[in-house]
Amino acid sequence: SAVISQKPSRDICQRGTSLTIQCQVDSQVTMMFWYRQQPGQSLTLIATANQGSEATYESGFVIDKFPISRPNLTFSTLTVSNMSPEDSSIYLCSVVGTGYSEQYFGPGTRLTVT
Amino acid sequence: AQTVTQSQPEMSVQEAETVTLSCTYDTSESNYYLFWYKQPPSRQMILVIRQEAYKQQNATENRFSVNFQKAAKSFSLKISDSQLGDTAMYFCAFMAYNTDKLIFGTGTRLQVFP
Repeated sequence: SAVISQKPSRDICQRGTSLTIQCQVDSQVTMMFWYRQQPGQSLTLIATANQGSEATYESGFVIDKFPISRPNLTFSTLTVSNMSPEDSSIYLCSVVGTGYSEQYFGPGTRLTVT
Repeated sequence: AQTVTQSQPEMSVQEAETVTLSCTYDTSESNYYLFWYKQPPSRQMILVIRQEAYKQQNATENRFSVNFQKAAKSFSLKISDSQLGDTAMYFCAFMAYNTDKLIFGTGTRLQVFP
């Protein structure tokens, strides 16, 4: 399985500001995913990030609010823009393993917006 | 659209005993994968076990096994010889072939008591 790190592990941010979350993988992967886990809830896919192309967003998520970069095969960033308290969540990145079906997750970033 | 349902919000089990977590899903797809993920308090999502829909044999990983009933669209997880370290949220997830999109259930919180 891939080793995935995320930065920061947690942050407390002011309303109206933006935060960029980094996801680093120890091996090259084609597809990376960003998920949101609201307090006490399950995981919801935000978008799929492929290297060299625009991210594909799920219904209810837009690029202006959650811009994503994927500059190479081991790294991606997710920005949470113009934050409100409703954005307080855990944000997780994941990658597809060599088995082409398993997804492995980073440790998550706990975001609190005040 | 696919849905995943976990009807047990919370479960508890005594150490060394066996516990079964339930999951049902709804899909019109014929080819898909099913997963159980574990999320301990550290919030790291850990893949526990995977089942391919075309395989009749139930998947097993050490103390973890599944009961996959394709016709009933049921995918339960059995944890044998429960350990304190099994205390976590457990999420059932569905992925259709060639999508890489995981759809999660709402989770079951499992508490293992000494």
